[in-house]
Amino acid sequence: SQTIHQWPATLVQPVGSPLSLECTVEGTSNPNLYWYRQAAGRGLQLLFYSVGIGQISSEVPQNLSASRPQDRQFILSSKKLLLSDSGFYLCAWSGRQGNFPGELFFGEGSRLTVL
Amino acid sequence: AQSVTQLGSHVSVSEGALVLLRCNYSSSVPPYLFWYVQYPNQGLQLLLKYTSAATLVKGINGFEAEFKKSETSFHLTKPSAHMSDAAEYFCAVAHNTDKLIFGTGTRLQVFP
Repeated sequence: SQTIHQWPATLVQPVGSPLSLECTVEGTSNPNLYWYRQAAGRGLQLLFYSVGIGQISSEVPQNLSASRPQDRQFILSSKKLLLSDSGFYLCAWSGRQGNFPGELFFGEGSRLTVL
Repeated sequence: AQSVTQLGSHVSVSEGALVLLRCNYSSSVPPYLFWYVQYPNQGLQLLLKYTSAATLVKGINGFEAEFKKSETSFHLTKPSAHMSDAAEYFCAVAHNTDKLIFGTGTRLQVFP
């Protein structure tokens, strides 16, 4: 069966420090990968979307970047965190065959607090 | 452009009462519609999905939703609330793409 792992689960970082959140998927190959951010009262905002290694689509301009160095690995990064980067970050994957558009499987999330 | 609107950021019901969470969508073409549930400090999990096969969709944990094209709605219901239903619920829309557009969520509280 497929599983998705995110880490760290919780992170407290000072303003101006770097960030790296990692997500890996097991049990499937060539997945679509996503990073969402959830801020209080604002629902889920799609940040990045990837259909393959090295292929990243950015959905909103921001202080963050994403990379996909391996088929089942998706990394969210920042060189200098802002207070507004605080939130709950969710990684998700969807399949290419057998899944119709949009059925996402989510990780457990990473809560980032920037002080 | 696609979007979903969830009316009511908070809904409170008594245990055993009907649960109704509202979702209206905006799409120029027939959409795919979803309801996801999120328990505290966890990721989201799929409750149910509409893919045009049937307008009444049954999901997990006794939830169901009805697609009403004339009202552009996809409201989530459950006949009898349980304490374990307390969570945040998200409606989402997609159209021939793997990118979901989520609503702002509705937090359901269930009182004994």
